[in-house]
Formats: sequence, structure tokens, C-alpha cells
Amino acid sequence: DTAVSQTPKYLVTQMGNDKSIKCEQNLGHDTMYWYKQDSKKFLKIMFSYNNKELIINETVPNRFSPKSPDKAHLNLHINSLELGDSAVYFCASSQDGGANTGELFFGEGSRLTVL
Amino acid sequence: QKEVEQNSGPLSVPEGAIASLNCTYSDRGSQSFFWYRQYSGKSPELIMFIYSNGDKEDGRFTAQLNKASQYVSLLIRDSQPSDSATYLCAVWGSWGKFQFGAGTQVVVTP
Repeated sequence: DTAVSQTPKYLVTQMGNDKSIKCEQNLGHDTMYWYKQDSKKFLKIMFSYNNKELIINETVPNRFSPKSPDKAHLNLHINSLELGDSAVYFCASSQDGGANTGELFFGEGSRLTVL
Repeated sequence: QKEVEQNSGPLSVPEGAIASLNCTYSDRGSQSFFWYRQYSGKSPELIMFIYSNGDKEDGRFTAQLNKASQYVSLLIRDSQPSDSATYLCAVWGSWGKFQFGAGTQVVVTP
């Protein structure tokens, strides 16, 4: 029973298209995140939601729009895809913002390739 | 200056030897420090966390923290081929979020 699941695992699409990635966690955590990992393995936070409320919004182009219908779900929609959007996108969750134990539970990642 | 810095490697370590990984951070208000391991094509997983100055041991892993020098390290004793992975240093800072380093790739050679 996967703790943090995200779909799809792979997306291959053309520039200019719109795509969505869905994430669900069954851990009962309050906080969920989207991270982007580029080809150099650098893991950079994009967004964080706590109980459906946006608490971190990094300097991400507004083509990226997160949406949290409830605290167990955090989806990511990307408009007008660009080549530089190619990366692995990880969803993660933690309890209490993660400061106490630092345990971020990651999904398996969604590899986006923009052609 | 990056907020969390690590040597990218690869760090080549003979099997059975000690692997030593270093991480420095810029925010003096940082409170918590973590090491994640990421196998190729997989998601990161937490292996150690440390809050206080000094050493913390868990099995073959030892984390060391020196807040005055803004330095955290990870030692892997008796390195095994299964330890070959990228190790990510993460810091919970006064900015109220995790900041990850770029990771150090470790290659354990038989």
C-alpha cells in the first residue's frame, strides 16, 4: 500500500502542451510538497501546502499551478510546457511541516520530457 | 552562494572502507539537518537526522554536526556496493523549509 503515490510516472509531450500530475498520500500528514529535480540531481522545492493552504510558493513561473482539493491530495498543472520543464517532479508529504524529524516521504517521481 | 553545498563527486570508495561526505550551509539559524539517500531512478529516503552538535550513530552511519562551523558530515563505515547512491544533505533553516544540497554520488568498488 503506497504511502505517497503520484501519477503518471512518465510523461512525454510536445512544447506548448498542458499536463497535470496527481499526488495522493495516505499517511494522514498535514503538509504536502512539490519538488523539481533536474538532470544534475538538484532537488528544489516548488510549492508546499499545509491543510490545503499554500504556505510556500517559490519563484516558479505562473505556468505552474498547484491545487490541493483536500489535505491528502496535491496536484500540479503545467501550462504551455517548455523544454526547460523537463525534469523529475517529486511529490512529498510530512507531518508538522517536517521540522521535527525531517522525514519527507517522497512519491516515486514523475519524469516529464518535453520535446 | 548556494544555501547548502556538497561536493558532487563521484566519491569512489573501496568496499569495506569508510566513505566521508561533507555538507556546509549558509543559514546560521538552521535547526535540523538530514541525510537522504537516493538510488538511481528512485526517490530520496531519509537515513539520518541530527539536531545537536556532535556525533550521532546509527548502524554503519554516523552523522556529525558542527553548528559553529556550519558543517555537517556523514560517515559510512564498512562501505558496501549497496551503498552506491547519491547522498543528499538537507537543512531545515530559519526560512521555514527544507533546503537540499545538490548531492554527492558515492560509488563503492568491489
